[in-house]
Amino acid sequence: DAGITQSPRHKVTETGTPVTLRCHQTENHRYMYWYRQDPGHGLRLIHYSYGVKDTDKGEVSDGYSVSRSKTEDFLLTLESATSSQTSVYFCAIGGGSGSYNEQFFGPGTRLTVL
Amino acid sequence: SQKIEQNSEALNIQEGKTATLTCNYTNYSPAYLQWYRQDPGRGPVFLLLIRENEKEKRKERLKVTFDTTLKQSLFHITASQPADSATYLCALDNYGQNFVFGPGTRLSVLP
Repeated sequence: DAGITQSPRHKVTETGTPVTLRCHQTENHRYMYWYRQDPGHGLRLIHYSYGVKDTDKGEVSDGYSVSRSKTEDFLLTLESATSSQTSVYFCAIGGGSGSYNEQFFGPGTRLTVL
Repeated sequence: SQKIEQNSEALNIQEGKTATLTCNYTNYSPAYLQWYRQDPGRGPVFLLLIRENEKEKRKERLKVTFDTTLKQSLFHITASQPADSATYLCALDNYGQNFVFGPGTRLSVLP
């Protein structure tokens, strides 16, 4: 793996509770991404970051917020989790030195909202 | 809205044959088109990238073509092996922003 970790790897929570997922990289890549992957929908981009404190929305950003205060960390927050946010969440990094923005993915976080 | 389609949801081929996967897109002008492999329970792994001004790219048994007029990419695996069985995803990219992934094609290589 390209120096990307996600925590937690599994989480079960209840509807209405806040949840924060963390992505940590040791590769000094410029871009960081959060995706969710669901059967029938494939990978969908939630938010991405193109630098510290620089973020933008993806295709399915409603109900999610992100923050990036350091190059190595990108946090995804569900302010009030809903059952529709049950999914597998992947973090990815890209834009490393000499690259064409190919992405390297973390191991994923399986989130279940009851 | 942007849309990516990949040929069948699943593709079965015999070991040793060439697998050909298709990626078609609409309402997008990508700078790059990328192919990834995903195994069950794991994150996608980058395989190949082709730029908008390139027609073909090769890497070992893999070959990618890119036709921006047809808005189509073909991904070939020659001399396929059972270990090539996985889901293959295509992705469109505009310089690191606005990444869009296709739904994937699940390839099974039968011994």
